[in-house]
Amino acid sequence: EVQLVESGGGLVQPGGSLRLSCAASGFTFSSYEMNWVRQAPGKGLEWVSYISSSGSTIYYADSVKGRFTISRDNAKNSLYLQMNSLRAEDTAVYYCAREKLVGDAFDIWGQGTMVTVSS
Amino acid sequence: EIVLTQSPATLSLSPGERATLSCRASQSVSSYLAWYQQKPGQAPRLLIYDASNRATGIPARFSGSGSGTDFTLTISSLEPEDFAVYYCQQRSNWPLWTFGQGTKVEIK
Repeated sequence: EVQLVESGGGLVQPGGSLRLSCAASGFTFSSYEMNWVRQAPGKGLEWVSYISSSGSTIYYADSVKGRFTISRDNAKNSLYLQMNSLRAEDTAVYYCAREKLVGDAFDIWGQGTMVTVSS
Repeated sequence: EIVLTQSPATLSLSPGERATLSCRASQSVSSYLAWYQQKPGQAPRLLIYDASNRATGIPARFSGSGSGTDFTLTISSLEPEDFAVYYCQQRSNWPLWTFGQGTKVEIK
């Protein structure tokens, strides 16, 4: 079964750090571009970051640039998001999502992991 | 920066009725537009990609159309499980990916 499973969310104080992980299974992870998308409580979807299949190309939304770092380990079939200098407005469910090989869309999503930034 | 505007914000319909959802881009995105369905507590699910291609396993009652700046998602006859929030999404030079604000399809 093709699957993405996120972990690492939790409660963190403003200014703190958290590292999210996304474990992939059921497909050749190293062939796919990957993304992180977040959704604040009761709000819409916001793209956060992109990484190419090799990890050589990376993009960030302006809202997280300089604070978040995306990475991947193709040998471990895993995607990561290191989040530093967290703010209250980073509170959201964070999803990892796979891009289609052909066609511009995210065809597989994880179940999400909740990050709460609060004192 | 391309902005996607979805309308209406809420659509109140009965099962069996036809739903027509709109997504308008602030500048042309060619046919690079996708639609997702999201139910409470669940991750989004891909319905349509490249404006009109149904994703794997998506029922034929879902269809997408449009190009350039105006796109439509049509659900030909609403089933009880179709009441959810729908998002459009596009890829551009910057930001790399953008989502619309969503349309909620609720039971009338």
